[in-house]
Amino acid sequence: GQQVMQIPQYQHVQEGEDFTTYCNSSTTLSNIQWYKQRPGGHPVFLIQLVKSGEVKKQKRLTFQFGEAKKNSSLHITATQTTDVGTYFCAGQGNEKLTFGTGTRLTIIP
Amino acid sequence: EADIYQTPRYLVIGTGKKITLECSQTMGHDKMYWYQQDPGMELHLIHYSYGVNSTEKGDLSSESTVSRIRTEHFPLTLESARPSHTSQYLCASSELGFDQPQHFGDGTRLSIL
Repeated sequence: GQQVMQIPQYQHVQEGEDFTTYCNSSTTLSNIQWYKQRPGGHPVFLIQLVKSGEVKKQKRLTFQFGEAKKNSSLHITATQTTDVGTYFCAGQGNEKLTFGTGTRLTIIP
Repeated sequence: EADIYQTPRYLVIGTGKKITLECSQTMGHDKMYWYQQDPGMELHLIHYSYGVNSTEKGDLSSESTVSRIRTEHFPLTLESARPSHTSQYLCASSELGFDQPQHFGDGTRLSIL
């Protein structure tokens, strides 16, 4: 079945540093979604990428979809304490959305 | 913020009890889902539904069952709870369609003693 892996599993950064999480699928995806889950909270939809090579920005967050539509990345510039949480990618295969393993981001003030 | 509600938020109960976790949404979404998530870990899809009278098993084998008699309601039932069922259960919904984002409830944290 479809597998979606994320690296790293954990990331600790100083406030103000950049952060990147990478998402890799075992199969070609029709689209990829990104979610953020704050500690103790539930996943919240951030964005969706559909086209090969697509890049989208939300303020300090940059999302990229690979040319082969099998990988994606999320980059946060100049992290803030509000960025704390676990970031999940979710790849849309033939029928189902498969969530990645997640990257937990901790910010050191 | 999405209108999807889960009750109870927390439940501590003994082994062997029958449990029903409630999930309701007011957005008129056709698709609904149940995920199991251990703290800080990945989400595992255990059940989903395309609409009324539709239920499908997810990727993670589960001893739970679901029903979908009304569009807005998607309860999950454990006939006989065991300590291995201790986890967080998240309900979500989305519109039909290939690329619709999922909206999650706050979850039920279940502890089986």
